[in-house]
Amino acid sequence: QVQLVQSGAEVKKPGSSVKVSCKTSGGAFSTYAINWVRQAPGQGLEWMGGIIPIFVTADYAQKFRDRVTITADETTSTVYIELSSLRYEDTALYFCARGVAAATASFDDWGQGTLVTVSS
Amino acid sequence: QSVLTQPPSVSGAPGQRVTISCTGSSSNIGAGYDVHWYQLVPGTAPRLLIYGNNNRPSGVPDRFSGSKSGTSASLAITGLQADDEAVFFCQCYDNSLGGSRLFGGGTRLTVL
Repeated sequence: QVQLVQSGAEVKKPGSSVKVSCKTSGGAFSTYAINWVRQAPGQGLEWMGGIIPIFVTADYAQKFRDRVTITADETTSTVYIELSSLRYEDTALYFCARGVAAATASFDDWGQGTLVTVSS
Repeated sequence: QSVLTQPPSVSGAPGQRVTISCTGSSSNIGAGYDVHWYQLVPGTAPRLLIYGNNNRPSGVPDRFSGSKSGTSASLAITGLQADDEAVFFCQCYDNSLGGSRLFGGGTRLTVL
C-alpha cells in the first residue's frame, strides 16, 4: 500500500518562500514520478511540476519555471517543492501525487494535501 | 483558462446515468495521449477513477467508465448514488508549451 504523507499547513508572507514535503512509503521510490498539483480556493487542479528521483532533474510547468524547485531525497524517500516570491494567489491546497515515470501517465496515489496561505 | 474544456456542472437522479465530456485539441487528446479522470470530494485528496482512457484502478466500481474519440473524452457514471457527488476532472498530457500535464476545469456532479 503506497502512502504519501505531506507536511503541515503553512502561513507565509508575500514575497517569502515555502517548502512542502511529501514522504512516500510502501513502494519503490526512485523509479516513480512524484508530481505536485495545487488547487486554489474555488478553482480547479493545476499541475506545477514533477520529478523522477533516479533522474534527479525535475520537470516544471512553464507558468512556474522561474519560481519552483522540486527536489528528492532518496535516503528518506521524500520529495520537496519550494515555491518562492509568494503572492496572495499562491494560497492553495498543495498535493503531491505519485505515478508511473512517464509524462503521459496518470497520478495514481495522492498525499493528503498541504494548505499554504499567503497573508500579510 | 483550461485547455481541456468540461461542463461546469451535471446532475442526475439516483439510479440514472450521466456523462461528463472533456474537449481538448490536437496537442493533447487529439494527439493520442491518454486521458485520465479523477474524483475530488471537498476536504479529501483526489482519487484516480479512470486511467488510460478506459481502465479502472482496483477498487473503482464498474459504474464508472471512460471513452475517448478524436479530440474529446467522456466519463460515464451509471446507477447514480448520493455519495457520487463530487467534482470530476479530466487530465491529459499536452505537447505544446514545452510539455505539460493539463487538467480540465472540473465538473460538479449533483445527485438530485
